[in-house]
Amino acid sequence: GAVVSQHPSWVICKSGTSVKIECRSLDFQATTMFWYRQFPKQSLMLMATSNEGSKATYEQGVEKDKFLINHASLTLSTLTVTSAHPEDSSFYICSAPLIRNTIYFGEGSWLTVV
Amino acid sequence: ILNVEQSPQSLHVQEGDSTNFTCSFPSSNFYALHWYRWETAKSPEALFVMTLNGDEKKKGRISATLNTKEGYSYLYIKGSQPEDSATYLCASTPNNAGNMLTFGGGTRLMVKP
Repeated sequence: GAVVSQHPSWVICKSGTSVKIECRSLDFQATTMFWYRQFPKQSLMLMATSNEGSKATYEQGVEKDKFLINHASLTLSTLTVTSAHPEDSSFYICSAPLIRNTIYFGEGSWLTVV
Repeated sequence: ILNVEQSPQSLHVQEGDSTNFTCSFPSSNFYALHWYRWETAKSPEALFVMTLNGDEKKKGRISATLNTKEGYSYLYIKGSQPEDSATYLCASTPNNAGNMLTFGGGTRLMVKP
C-alpha cells in the first residue's frame, strides 16, 4: 500500500476560490515534508519545505501568501492554494522522508482552475 | 552542469530489447542520486539511491551506475517487458540540501509487446 497518501487526486475549482491538498504519511512520522509542482513538459520543481511545528520554507519565486502550508501534525501536511487562478493549474505532489535518502511520494494532485 | 538533465525524453522499444537512459547532474557539492519509476496515477517508486562514485546497483533486470566526478548516471533495463513502461525520473541531492530533490525531466519508456 501507499506509504504516503495525497488527497484529492483531482480537483477543479473556480477562479478566486481556495483549494486544500492533504499529504499524509501513513505508517511513519515525518517532521519534514516537501511540496513539488510540475507544469506541462517541465520537471518536478520544489515549491516549499513543510516543517512540523514551525513555518514552511519557500523556494524562490513561490508566493508564501498564495500557497499556504500547514504541517499540522507529524503525519499531515496541507497545501492550500488561495485565490486560485488558471495559471495555478498544475500537478502538485508531496514527499516525506522516512530517513535521509529514503523518500516516499504521494500519488499527486491535479488542480484545474476554471 | 547546473541542472539535472535526462535523455532521451522518450523511448519506444520492443519487448525483449535492452535499453538505457542517461541522467546528468551537477558534480560539485554532490550528495546523492536517486532513480524513481513513475507510473501514471501512482506514486513514484524508488528504485535506487547512490552516493559513491563508481556505485553500481541492481534490482532484477534494472541496474544503475554512478559517476560523481563527471556528473552522470546510467539506468539500464535488460530484456524490457511491457510492465516496464513508465517514466523514469532521476533526482540529485546536494550535500547541504537534506532530503530536497532536484529532478530531471524524466525519460518516458514505452515497451511494445
